[in-house]
Amino acid sequence: EAEVAQSPRYKITEKSQAVAFWCDPISGHATLYWYRQILGQGPELLVQFQDESVVDDSQLPKDRFSAERLKGVDSTLKIQPAELGDSAMYLCASRPGARASSPLHFGNGTRLTVT
Amino acid sequence: AQSVTQPDIHITVSEGASLELRCNYSYGATPYLFWYVQSPGQGLQLLLKYFSGDTLVQGIKGFEAEFKRSQSSFNLRKPSVHWSDAAEYFCAVGAPNYGGATNKLIFGTGTLLAVQP
Repeated sequence: EAEVAQSPRYKITEKSQAVAFWCDPISGHATLYWYRQILGQGPELLVQFQDESVVDDSQLPKDRFSAERLKGVDSTLKIQPAELGDSAMYLCASRPGARASSPLHFGNGTRLTVT
Repeated sequence: AQSVTQPDIHITVSEGASLELRCNYSYGATPYLFWYVQSPGQGLQLLLKYFSGDTLVQGIKGFEAEFKRSQSSFNLRKPSVHWSDAAEYFCAVGAPNYGGATNKLIFGTGTLLAVQP
């Protein structure tokens, strides 16, 4: 079964440094999501793409976070500068379209630790 | 605003015992509801979903869930728990994005299941 690929699996960085995460969704999936999951909590949406366009970044801290999906396929999420409170699991998910009934397929995530 | 509540943060059951994980949602229209499971350090795997029809839905790994509109609930059940079921379980509701053009999933805070031998 096709999977959502994410890298790196783990990242340790010092505060004020820049960090980037990569996601390759399942082939043909037009909708891509970045979620942040703080330890002990449920995932919270950061940004959602439909093809190469951002359709929801209302919860993305835009002063330090940025996301792109230039060709409508893979995506990169960047944090600059990283803060201690950014330590979390960053999950990428995709779905074929935008229908509310279709489930999201998740990658294994990137665990970020900011020291 | 749409929301999901999972009242139980942590549950411990004995292997072979039955399981019920609670989920309550807040949503104005007919909801799209999902249960996901997350093993430590892993992503989320879909167990089952509900969006119409029969209110009792079957999922993978022997799980089922029942949609009760009158109680705004979508509880997850399993008749006999196995040690491999130990994981964190998340209930989610499909909701429109900011602006309403597309949709996303809103997750509950999760229930951590421990299984005693």
